[in-house]
Amino acid sequence: AQSVAQPEDQVNVAEGNPLTVKCTYSVSGNPYLFWYVQYPNRGLQFLLKYITGDNLVKGSYGFEAEFNKSQTSFHLKKPSALVSDSALYFCAVSMDSSYKLIFGSGTRLLVRP
Amino acid sequence: GAGVSQSPSNKVTEKGKDVELRCDPISGHTALYWYRQSLGQGLEFLIYFQGNSAPDKSGLPSDRFSAERTGGSVSTLTIQRTQQEDSAVYLCASSLELAGGPGGGEQFFGPGTRLTVL
Repeated sequence: AQSVAQPEDQVNVAEGNPLTVKCTYSVSGNPYLFWYVQYPNRGLQFLLKYITGDNLVKGSYGFEAEFNKSQTSFHLKKPSALVSDSALYFCAVSMDSSYKLIFGSGTRLLVRP
Repeated sequence: GAGVSQSPSNKVTEKGKDVELRCDPISGHTALYWYRQSLGQGLEFLIYFQGNSAPDKSGLPSDRFSAERTGGSVSTLTIQRTQQEDSAVYLCASSLELAGGPGGGEQFFGPGTRLTVL
């Protein structure tokens, strides 16, 4: 069975500092990994995905994520946080030929000025 | 281009009433999904439509929930005899490709319908 864990309910960082939002996954077979962001009263917006290839994936708004197969992790990162990055972040996983996208419980990112 | 649209954006209803939520996917997207998001929580899968195939209804929480997709486009989620525990944001998404397909099809989400059952 597929599962995703986001161990932190909330991450607090100061503007200008690097940020990391953690995600670990469990899936049989090759993982297809996604990050989405949700701003208040909005739907989810796609940030980036990993299917295969380079372990470091770059996405929208300066975000990137690193796929680590041995640690079954796909942490979201950004070198310099902005106050406008404050939102709810979801990691999700799928697998070969599957339509199902299993979401983590979400991590609230708060960037203070 | 136009994204996924949902209506209404907010719905307040009384316990026991029926409600219909509408989703208009991105044109050309054959896959359509409904999710439920309770306050501050993750997404709970409800139902999946793919083209003309039989939908996957495995996520529907009870037989009070049903959904249809007409003409392979617009979808309606119906909740009968609403209960207070049905209060949540209902999100619709569409995609061109499976999440686990060769290109890793990302899902595009609508803004959601916030349902409040009094």
